[in-house]
Amino acid sequence: GAGVSQSPSNKVTEKGKDVELRCDPISGHTALYWYRQRLGQGLEFLIYFQGNSAPDKSGLPSDRFSAERTGESVSTLTIQRTQQEDSAVYLCASSPTGATVYQPQHFGDGTRLSIL
Amino acid sequence: DQQVKQNSPSLSVQEGRISILNCDYTNSMFDYFLWYKKYPAEGPTFLISISSIKDKNEDGRFTVFLNKSAKHLSLHIVPSQPGDSAVYFCAAFTGGGNKLTFGTGTQLKVEL
Repeated sequence: GAGVSQSPSNKVTEKGKDVELRCDPISGHTALYWYRQRLGQGLEFLIYFQGNSAPDKSGLPSDRFSAERTGESVSTLTIQRTQQEDSAVYLCASSPTGATVYQPQHFGDGTRLSIL
Repeated sequence: DQQVKQNSPSLSVQEGRISILNCDYTNSMFDYFLWYKKYPAEGPTFLISISSIKDKNEDGRFTVFLNKSAKHLSLHIVPSQPGDSAVYFCAAFTGGGNKLTFGTGTQLKVEL
């Protein structure tokens, strides 16, 4: 089935390195979200893209975090100069629309990021 | 500030019995609530939702109840099955907002 696809599924890197995480949303979904789940915690909103509108970056924890989306397709989340506290599962979700009608978000399986 | 709270980190229920998972929230602007189910190494999957204008929504074995005055919602699973064993997250939308605010999850274990 054509669900939300994320890559890599696992990433181990040294502190201070940059990492790039990728998300392929469900075809036709205009809204795309990134969340982070630290160990033992709930999902924490990071950033939201809706069509060609300016993204909602209100959840990004620091300027080391950035994300891009090409049109209504692939998105990449980049973390620069990684720190140990960045270790988490990074989840991407998409939905048919991010407008006023609430639509359940469909999640990928996430990227498990471990910073040594 | 945890706006969506799931105070029970775990719950164990016998197969065939009812599972009741609870969720409390503090933000009165939340107007749409969802439950997600998550298996290990997989992303959350949508289970059931409820609008704040309703107090109950049912879908097969799953029923969500909303008590707005108490800012409380619950998910009932009956009868519980071993395949229901997973982490359940409560989440909420606010009007005009598109990001979900999640609780910390409850690990449900359905035992034979």
